[in-house]
Amino acid sequence: SAVISQKPSRDICQRGTSLTIQCQVDSQVTMMFWYRQQPGQSLTLIATANQGSEATYESGFVIDKFPISRPNLTFSTLTVSNMSPEDSSIYLCSVAQGANEQFFGPGTRLTVL
Amino acid sequence: QQQVKQSPQSLIVQKGGISIINCAYENTAFDYFPWYQQFPGKGPALLIAIRPDVSEKKEGRFTISFNKSAKQFSLHIMDSQPGDSATYFCAARNTGFQKLVFGTGTRLLVSP
Repeated sequence: SAVISQKPSRDICQRGTSLTIQCQVDSQVTMMFWYRQQPGQSLTLIATANQGSEATYESGFVIDKFPISRPNLTFSTLTVSNMSPEDSSIYLCSVAQGANEQFFGPGTRLTVL
Repeated sequence: QQQVKQSPQSLIVQKGGISIINCAYENTAFDYFPWYQQFPGKGPALLIAIRPDVSEKKEGRFTISFNKSAKQFSLHIMDSQPGDSATYFCAARNTGFQKLVFGTGTRLLVSP
C-alpha cells in the first residue's frame, strides 16, 4: 500500500489566517483526495485532485476557501483560507491505488482560535 | 441515494466475543464496499473490502458479509480483542465516479 505523509501533523491558528497542508506519497498516483473529519464525525470529501487538471470540489466546498495544488503525481497541498473556528477539524489526504483501494494519510489536526 | 447508513453508533463487546457492524445503501451503482478502522489520532486504515459478485470475504478474524438483494453488508470481528477497540467506517463507491461515500461510523469498545 502507498505510504502517505502529511505536514503539519497539527497546528493551532488564529482566526483570519491561512494554513497550507502538504501531502506526500511514496509512489506515483493518479487520484488524490482531500477529506475533512470533524471531531467524532465521519469523513466528508472536500475535493478530488488530479495532476494536470483543476481540482473538483464537492457541494459546500469552494476553491476560494480551499485552494488545492497538484504539481506532480506524488504531491498535493490543501490551503484552508481565512480560517474561522468552524474550520477546526482533521484534514486527511487520501490516494487511490490500483482499481479500487484507497489509502489515507495520518491527518492534520487543525484548531482555529 | 448517495448515503450509506451504518449501525450501531457504538458497541461494547466482551473479549472473545463477536462484534457485528451493519451498513445499508440505496445506490445500486455502488460496486465496491470497503471497511476502514480508525484509532484515535490516526488516519483511517483499510481493513477489508468486498465487491458485490461475492457474498462473503474473510481475512483472519474479519469477515464481510454481503447481501446484494437487500443492499446490506456487515463486518464481523470474531474473537474480538481489546486491541480492536477503534472506530469502524463502512464505505461504498461507484467505480465510475471513484468517490467513496462513508457511513457515520461505529465506535467499538472491547472490554478485557
